[in-house]
Amino acid sequence: SQQGEEDPQALSIQEGENATMNCSYKTSINNLQWYRQNSGRGLVHLILIRSNEREKHSGRLRVTLDTSKKSSSLLITASRAADTASYFCATATYSSASKIIFGSGTRLSIRP
Amino acid sequence: GAVVSQHPSWVICKSGTSVKIECRSLDFQATTMFWYRQFPKQSLMLMATSNEGSKATYEQGVEKDKFLINHASLTLSTLTVTSAHPEDSSFYICSPLKWTSGRMDYTQYFGPGTRLTVL
Repeated sequence: SQQGEEDPQALSIQEGENATMNCSYKTSINNLQWYRQNSGRGLVHLILIRSNEREKHSGRLRVTLDTSKKSSSLLITASRAADTASYFCATATYSSASKIIFGSGTRLSIRP
Repeated sequence: GAVVSQHPSWVICKSGTSVKIECRSLDFQATTMFWYRQFPKQSLMLMATSNEGSKATYEQGVEKDKFLINHASLTLSTLTVTSAHPEDSSFYICSPLKWTSGRMDYTQYFGPGTRLTVL
């Protein structure tokens, strides 16, 4: 099952522009993470934002979380060709039945 | 960072056979293990969650009798695809959690994955 829906499904922008990806989810969560995956490769953890946080920065990445709307966004500023990859959000709920469920992903292409 | 191994990294089998995939957390104890499946150009789909010493919890639509999960120790979890068919061909990824702070926080790790091809 997938908890998160991401939009857009695919995004193509010019190098140097900013890229924004959105993730919506359905149930209450403990935290939300963003991952990157290059074609045919493993997942790379980018950033984790907890349910009591609203915004977080890491280098060129900015993540926001709106728990009232059950949505998150990932902003990549000053995009580079190396940012070309698929990006996934993953929501975590941990209690007696812990789950970490991935969204459908956004395929980002950076045009040189 | 922690090391997670998965074996085999790839396997090709005939339809009807069973395939066992091992996942080991080499330098930490993983009380919680997730198993995901990823089809080409798609996201990771959670198949099941297992906690050491207890039965796995399967996601809706995942047949527990077909995908047998054993999490007998804190460093080893296995996924057995029984009577595999071509539609089971996929990339299977284990993901152990390393709990910290009295189980109030965690770090999620991923195995390198196993590519299963069923002929």
